[in-house]
Amino acid sequence: EAQVTQNPRYLITVTGKKLTVTCSQNMNHEYMSWYRQDPGLGLRQIYYSMNVEVTDKGDVPEGYKVSRKEKRNFPLILESPSPNQTSLYFCASTRGGPYNEQFFGPGTRLTVL
Amino acid sequence: QKEVEQNSGPLSVPEGAIASLNCTYSDRGSQSFFWYRQYSGKSPELIMSIYSNGDKEDGRFTAQLNKASQYVSLLIRDSQPSDSATYLCAVSASRGSTLGRLYFGRGTQLTVWP
Repeated sequence: EAQVTQNPRYLITVTGKKLTVTCSQNMNHEYMSWYRQDPGLGLRQIYYSMNVEVTDKGDVPEGYKVSRKEKRNFPLILESPSPNQTSLYFCASTRGGPYNEQFFGPGTRLTVL
Repeated sequence: QKEVEQNSGPLSVPEGAIASLNCTYSDRGSQSFFWYRQYSGKSPELIMSIYSNGDKEDGRFTAQLNKASQYVSLLIRDSQPSDSATYLCAVSASRGSTLGRLYFGRGTQLTVWP
């Protein structure tokens, strides 16, 4: 089954404790993204990757890191989480060519205390 | 900054009615347009994509695109309570280094009451 998976689905942590949210897709897509979604603010892109070893900042990259060492994986790293990073996070991958259909993972709800 | 604007809502329609959702965008070079449905606490689900001017129908859903007016809409016919969700409009970046990126509107919340 074609899908995007994220882990963990729910996470409660404390300020300053490094964490990683994993994202994996099995569709051989080149383009992957991370978003956060907050009430009233919609989906905001954090980082994106156009291919292995190619990443770039989205609209709200502060406090986040990413890496793309393999085509299928695109982890999101919070080196020192803060309460303002409490949010619902989505990973997505995009079918290439002229279509650009984007498919989302199930989401990770993160709470930073 | 590319902008995608949606009618703010919330939109409330009775069961069986037509729900109309609208979206305008600022990037005149955009080529791909999408509608996503998102239930509360869940991930966005792609329900319609449209790439050329005119109408595209899929079951009870019709997407309409007018590139000259930079306008895309979604009509839901015979609305059902299960259609109650937030609908997100998304528009592709036109070209260059951001190719593949989608820009999202903030969404329109639709409620279909029995």
